[in-house]
This record gives sequence, C-alpha cells and structure tokens, in this order.
Amino acid sequence: GAGVSQTPSNKVTEKGKYVELRCDPISGHTALYWYRQSLGQGPEFLIYFQGTGAADDSGLPNDRFFAVRPEGSVSTLKIQRTERGDSAVYLCASSPYVEGTQYFGPGTRLTVL
Amino acid sequence: GQQVMQIPQYQHVQEGEDFTTYCNSSTTLSNIQWYKQRPGGHPVFLIQLVKSGEVKKQKRLTFQFGEAKKNSSLHITATQTTDVGTYFCAPFGGTSYGKLTFGQGTILTVHP
Repeated sequence: GAGVSQTPSNKVTEKGKYVELRCDPISGHTALYWYRQSLGQGPEFLIYFQGTGAADDSGLPNDRFFAVRPEGSVSTLKIQRTERGDSAVYLCASSPYVEGTQYFGPGTRLTVL
Repeated sequence: GQQVMQIPQYQHVQEGEDFTTYCNSSTTLSNIQWYKQRPGGHPVFLIQLVKSGEVKKQKRLTFQFGEAKKNSSLHITATQTTDVGTYFCAPFGGTSYGKLTFGQGTILTVHP
C-alpha cells in the first residue's frame, strides 16, 4: 500500500516568510510524528499526535513552530517568521499506534535564504 | 528523552569485511530500535530490542541489547555495497514514550 507522503519535497523560502509542510500518513495509522534532521545529525523529535490531539510537543524549538492534525489524518507543520537556522529536512512518520513501528516519509527539504 | 552515543561516527570497509556499530547510554533503556538511512533517503526501521541480553539476527545483521540495557550493537557480517548508509540507534519507550531519540549515527561506506 501507499507509504507516508510529504509535500512539497523541496521548499525554498526567504527569511521571515511563513511556510507550511504537509504530511499524509499511512491510512489507518493513528499516531503521527514530526522530526527535523540537520546535515550530519540524527532526526530530532518535534511533536507527535495521537488522533487529532498533540500528545507531546516538547520538541518544538519555539513558538514559531506549530502543527495541526484536525481530522486525525493529514498533518501540517507550520513555521512562522522563518530563520536561516530552520533549514533542514523535516521528516514525518506514522505508526498504527503510539508505541508501534514508525514508518517515515521522504521528507521535505526546507531551505531558508 | 534518553540520550545515546554512537561509535564510531564513520566506518570505511572493504566489501566482504565485517562492520560493528555501538550505541551507549548512561541510563537504563526501556527499548531500543535500529534504523538505516541510505544516502538521500529516509530512516527505515530495522529492529526493536526489548529484553536484557537479547540477540536478534536478520540475515547478515546481528543486533544485541546489553545485559544492563545500557548499550546495544549492530554487527554486519561480510559487508556488501548495498549496506552503505547511516545506521542509527534510537531509545524508545519508558521516558521516551511515543518518540524516538536518535543517536548521531554511524556512517558506513563500503569499497568494492
């Protein structure tokens, strides 16, 4: 079946702009996760959802970052007033339940100029 | 989350040689997972270890979880060029409930 999909695959924006990154999880997966991966580093946890609610958002770096999952399926990661330090690959993963195996999407490469 | 250190950071081997990466924690881990990320790709789940002293094998890959559940290792026998990539360990469960805390990874290159 279809895996996790993320759009766009690449996003180039200017410092100060607003961006939205989208994640389509595997159908039926109740848990959805966002990670950020900088060059040469392992993925860094940002937030995860169980259904529609954010169960743990402790990894969001500051209040410029926000994520939603209004219908318990698709999720959007929103970044306001982007900074050059936000440049990274943003990975989304989903799992059938919270402690289940996480399946990662291909990521969105965000570049802030 | 639970922090881990992976060593080595880089490993270059000739095809056919063995490879081992180690994952160490100063605290007891609940579970640990291993992932592989090919260059330009995304992390792909390999295995989860839960029990103290657990050993699991997948073809040429052998995964171990230490008796004290503070360290883990991945050993690849007779590497192939398809083994190229970054191998990450990630504590899971316990205080890391719901989220993966990835190590820095070991980058493996295999020379044919």
